[in-house]
Amino acid sequence: EPEVTQTPSHQVTQMGQEVILRCVPISNHLYFYWYRQILGQKVEFLVSFYNNEISEKSEIFDDQFSVERPDGSNFTLKIRSTKLEDSAMYFCASTSEYEQYFGPGTRLTVT
Amino acid sequence: GEDVEQSLFLSVREGDSSVINCTYTDSSSTYLYWYKQEPGAGLQLLTYIFSNMDMKQDQRLTVLLNKKDKHLSLRIADTQTGDSAIYFCAENSNYQLIWGAGTKLIIKP
Repeated sequence: EPEVTQTPSHQVTQMGQEVILRCVPISNHLYFYWYRQILGQKVEFLVSFYNNEISEKSEIFDDQFSVERPDGSNFTLKIRSTKLEDSAMYFCASTSEYEQYFGPGTRLTVT
Repeated sequence: GEDVEQSLFLSVREGDSSVINCTYTDSSSTYLYWYKQEPGAGLQLLTYIFSNMDMKQDQRLTVLLNKKDKHLSLRIADTQTGDSAIYFCAENSNYQLIWGAGTKLIIKP
């Protein structure tokens, strides 16, 4: 069964460093998403991406964040200068129509 | 703004039915979802329901939707220890999912 994959599973970085989180969505899906879940809090929408551009983004997704689909398979989330409060699980999701399928997540720890 | 509310915990005996409830606020939501998250794992899509449906059944899972009251429930029949997880309700609003805080299902032997 096709699935969304994410790498790395855990990333530790120092405050102020740039990180890139990688996702491989399900191959025939057209819509891609990033969500995050701070420990003990709700899952929060960050951004949606369709047809090689951002279709929606939340208030959380400020200028420090960017997304890219550099080739036909990868979908990346970049955080330019990480802050302590960026520590969270980051989930990638993809969908063709109604069903959003999620990857296993990347745990980002900013020290 | 949109909000989704769930109880934080539910405790049931093995073999009983579990009913997890959720309320949402966006009446224009077209789809409503239930996801399962086991410890240390990702978000697994369990089932979803269109807003023009009242009920959807899928093996041990039954979803009930009361659109008038904006109330969604997930019933798990014959609850097993493997059902221990956090269950998230989510509504589709403007192509993004708005999430509840999750209900932790605890199974007593």
